[in-house]
Amino acid sequence: AQKVTQAQTEISVVEKEDVTLDCVYETRDTTYYLFWYKQPPSGELVFLIRRNSFDEQNEISGRYSWNFQKSTSSFNFTITASQVVDSAVYFCALSEARAGRRALTFGSGTRLQVQP
Amino acid sequence: DAMVIQNPRYQVTQFGKPVTLSCSQTLNHNVMYWYQQKSSQAPKLLFHYYDKDFNNEADTPDNFQSRRPNTSFCFLDIRSPGLGDAAMYLCATSTTVGADTQYFGPGTRLTVL
Repeated sequence: AQKVTQAQTEISVVEKEDVTLDCVYETRDTTYYLFWYKQPPSGELVFLIRRNSFDEQNEISGRYSWNFQKSTSSFNFTITASQVVDSAVYFCALSEARAGRRALTFGSGTRLQVQP
Repeated sequence: DAMVIQNPRYQVTQFGKPVTLSCSQTLNHNVMYWYQQKSSQAPKLLFHYYDKDFNNEADTPDNFQSRRPNTSFCFLDIRSPGLGDAAMYLCATSTTVGADTQYFGPGTRLTVL
């Protein structure tokens, strides 16, 4: 069975600090997809990134970067120079690519508070 | 902009009074999902439609039903809401099931009095 663990329940940083959100996953499949979503106080889940299991290249998008390491089954998310607008709950999720699999398995989420 | 729309954003109902939540999409995606998210928890999948094929999660209570009259719309019906059904209900869409990215609507926050 697949599982996603976000050990950090809540993180508080001061604006302009860098912060890393951890995500560890378990799956028996060799082909799978990993996602990060942001959920601001308004409630909408905003898609941030999708990464397949064959692509271990790190990715950078502005102040956001993602580090995917299959050897440790981790897909960590770093925000550089955090801003108050980054305050939200962040979910890591896993989806297997087998035919018929349809669910996203979410981690429990990490609440990030960025103080001014 | 293509998007997923949910109405209403906030819904108040009384214990036992049926309620319907609405989701529409302009993405022309084949799959539409309904999730329930309770406070400080991850979203929990209730069911999904792949085109007209309905797929219920094994642990979704019978109290929850869904309809998809066409590609663009999907409804969540709660036949007899209990206090425990108060939650955020999120609709999502994707092109296909499994690996495809799911795009979420803004959610409907349901209060049961």
